[in-house]
Amino acid sequence: AQSVSQHNHHVILSEAASLELGCNYSYGGTVNLFWYVQYPGQHLQLLLKYFSGDPLVKGIKGFEAEFIKSKFSFNLRKPSVQWSDTAEYFCAVNPRDTGRRALTFGSGTRLQVQP
Amino acid sequence: DSGVTQTPKHLITATGQRVTLRCSPRSGDLSVYWYQQSLDQGLQFLIQYYNGEERAKGNILERFSAQQFPDLHSELNLSSLELGDSALYFCASSRFVGSNNEQFFGPGTRLTVL
Repeated sequence: AQSVSQHNHHVILSEAASLELGCNYSYGGTVNLFWYVQYPGQHLQLLLKYFSGDPLVKGIKGFEAEFIKSKFSFNLRKPSVQWSDTAEYFCAVNPRDTGRRALTFGSGTRLQVQP
Repeated sequence: DSGVTQTPKHLITATGQRVTLRCSPRSGDLSVYWYQQSLDQGLQFLIQYYNGEERAKGNILERFSAQQFPDLHSELNLSSLELGDSALYFCASSRFVGSNNEQFFGPGTRLTVL
């Protein structure tokens, strides 16, 4: 079974600072990778996804992520955060080589951006 | 707005009771997934339905069951409720069961068991 680790549980940044959130997964086969964001009191929204091809993926709101297969990582980045980026961020995977499509989520990273 | 709707938004009930949570997928989506989000367990997959049939099971308790109806809406039934069942229950939908499907999440139902 696959698993996902998000090492940063709580990150506090000032506006305009750069952001990198770590995500590592454990699975022997190929995977689809996702980053979801959950704003306070809201549902999960997809930020970006990787299925195949260019390992550098651009998503909404200026976010991007890089898939490094050798490191089993899919870190999320943003060059300059805004106060409105305050939210919880979840990395998720599902395997491509089985019929299972359900997502396995990491424990989440709470980002707090101070004005 | 993802196009996935869930009702009710909030549910407060007592231990031992039974509740039903409802989910309507996005128009055209055949697959429905249920997830539970709690403080101690995080976001966990419960069960998936595809076009009316159960497709996959995750960490779903025997006290919980689900079904998907011909109009593709789904219901999650939770019975003999315990305090530990208090959580946010999300429904997600996707178009296919194929390899590159993206899941869209509903707003969730917050269940509080007293």
